Amino acid sequence: DAKTTQPPSMDCAEGRAANLPCNHSTISGNEYVYWYRQIHSQGPQYIIHGLKNNETNEMASLIITEDRKSSTLILPHATLRDTAVYYCIVFLFGAGNMLTFGGGTRLMVKP
Amino acid sequence: DSGVTQTPKHLITATGQRVTLRCSPRSGDLSVYWYQQSLDQGLQFLIQYYNGEERAKGNILERFSAQQFPDLHSELNLSSLELGDSALYFCASSVRVGNTGELFFGEGSRLTVL
Repeated sequence: DAKTTQPPSMDCAEGRAANLPCNHSTISGNEYVYWYRQIHSQGPQYIIHGLKNNETNEMASLIITEDRKSSTLILPHATLRDTAVYYCIVFLFGAGNMLTFGGGTRLMVKP
Repeated sequence: DSGVTQTPKHLITATGQRVTLRCSPRSGDLSVYWYQQSLDQGLQFLIQYYNGEERAKGNILERFSAQQFPDLHSELNLSSLELGDSALYFCASSVRVGNTGELFFGEGSRLTVL
């Protein structure tokens, strides 16, 4: 069962902010939201994660709604190299739990 | 560069054959994970090892096996290969023994079965 819903594809103009939405309406209180991306057929790359509060690092910002039912990954100034498939993953720490990748959003950054 | 090394990068073989994929985790990482990515199934977790011991199993076929050696490198063995085994096989590593959501993935081994 998919725990997250993401649009299959999005476009973004180079230099503009890319806002990637994710719906996780059935998330439980102790589940984290993780974001990964996969550029072409390279290995997935960890971007950011959060539980309740908004998070920011050198790559992106993660905005989680107060009810935690959805989140948005923000790439503040998208470049052509940000073209990739972005995966939103709900993850629970605990024995036997693994990262489960869904279909993701294919982000195309255009000049 | 994630620090995880996978070999070979590309492999072409025939149905019924056996292949071995190799993974060297990041320095200091004790956990190794194997994932399979095919066109129709997406990224699927196969198996996890921690410090030489199997920790978790996912959708790994009985024809597939893995192990982690004392130097922490891991090998994924695929036997009696079928056309449907054609896929990208990724190895990932982490330092923690417990499950973590932050994994470092290698560049993958692309297996083509003809």
